[in-house]
Amino acid sequence: EAQVTQNPRYLITVTGKKLTVTCSQNMNHEYMSWYRQDPGLGLRQIYYSMNVEVTDKGDVPEGYKVSRKEKRNFPLILESPSPNQTSLYFCASSSPTTDRADIQYFGAGTRLSVL
Amino acid sequence: ELKVEQNPLFLSMQEGKNYTIYCNYSTTSDRLYWYRQDPGKSLESLFVLLSNGAVKQEGRLMASLDTKARLSTLHITAAVHDLSATYFCAVDRKRGAQKLVFGQGTRLTINP
Repeated sequence: EAQVTQNPRYLITVTGKKLTVTCSQNMNHEYMSWYRQDPGLGLRQIYYSMNVEVTDKGDVPEGYKVSRKEKRNFPLILESPSPNQTSLYFCASSSPTTDRADIQYFGAGTRLSVL
Repeated sequence: ELKVEQNPLFLSMQEGKNYTIYCNYSTTSDRLYWYRQDPGKSLESLFVLLSNGAVKQEGRLMASLDTKARLSTLHITAAVHDLSATYFCAVDRKRGAQKLVFGQGTRLTINP
């Protein structure tokens, strides 16, 4: 089954404690992205990747890092989380070349609370 | 700076009626996306519109794109309760890269 898997689904942590949210897709997609969703601010792109070792900033990259060492994985790293990073995070993947070109598939989401 | 504005932000309608959600954007782009989100759930891609005049339809939903007017519409025909959700549009800032800016979302409620 085609899917995008995010882990963990829920996470409560404390300020400054490094964490990683993993994202993995099994569709051999080239493109992957991270978004955050906040009440009143909507959906905002954090980082995106067009292929292995090719990443770029979205609208709100501050405080986040990403890496794309393998095609299937695109982890989101918070080196020193702060309370303003409390949010709902989504990972998505797509391919520009399949018959459903550019259709994004989303993970189930990770709800992060930073205390 | 690219701005994407949807209207209305809230829409309550009766089953069986037709309605349209509008998505305006402020700078040139030839790629626009529509998504659906149910309460407490993730997003689901509905349509990708790739060029001026593009029209896509699935079931009771039809999306179109006018790049000259910088406007996309999502038309709902004979609404049914199952279409109640929040609908987002997003515009690609960097051609083909999926460097996306989202609209605020339209919360659609369809009453029996």
